[in-house]
Amino acid sequence: DSGVTQTPKHLITATGQRVTLRCSPRSGDLSVYWYQQSLDQGLQFLIQYYNGEERAKGNILERFSAQQFPDLHSELNLSSLELGDSALYFCASSIGQGWGNEKLFFGSGTQLSVL
Amino acid sequence: GQQVMQIPQYQHVQEGEDFTTYCNSSTTLSNIQWYKQRPGGHPVFLIQLVKSGEVKKQKRLTFQFGEAKKNSSLHITATQTTDVGTYFCAGGQGAQKLVFGQGTRLTINP
Repeated sequence: DSGVTQTPKHLITATGQRVTLRCSPRSGDLSVYWYQQSLDQGLQFLIQYYNGEERAKGNILERFSAQQFPDLHSELNLSSLELGDSALYFCASSIGQGWGNEKLFFGSGTQLSVL
Repeated sequence: GQQVMQIPQYQHVQEGEDFTTYCNSSTTLSNIQWYKQRPGGHPVFLIQLVKSGEVKKQKRLTFQFGEAKKNSSLHITATQTTDVGTYFCAGGQGAQKLVFGQGTRLTINP
């Protein structure tokens, strides 16, 4: 158990809909990262938050947005969903803001299926 | 931007055979990390290498960081079925960015 909690584990929805994925980082970790993993693909970095502020942005679509709340949990909002958005979405956390130097602890992921 | 290339993409071995995956960066890295993702699971941190030429061992796993800090390898001796999964390297560009390789999926014939 990494200590990172993601909910829900599975999500099935239709095209055009909006969903929210939730992540609670490990106790004491201030950074939260979101990654997308499509079938047989690698880990695509979406966005990083540190202590409530956006720190780094990757290939995140404009239809996607995220935020980190004062209690440090984070939400990833996906809107106007398309079939191609079906993927496994991982949240990870680390203790500080030095993304490049810190080891990441991953949650078990949310499997999103867009039908 | 910085890219981290990992080869091979897939590797199938007989149980007991050795396995190696390689990671190469176009730029000098501040550190290299390795993660393992079991089928149906999430990536789990294995190790971090920071120094040029560093070699670390974890039981049957040997990790190396190149002298120029641009490449790394993970070698598994005498694979076991528990080694099945996808191995990712991740290269750090200072403190600013961590770039994951595409991963090597290891399957094992018992």
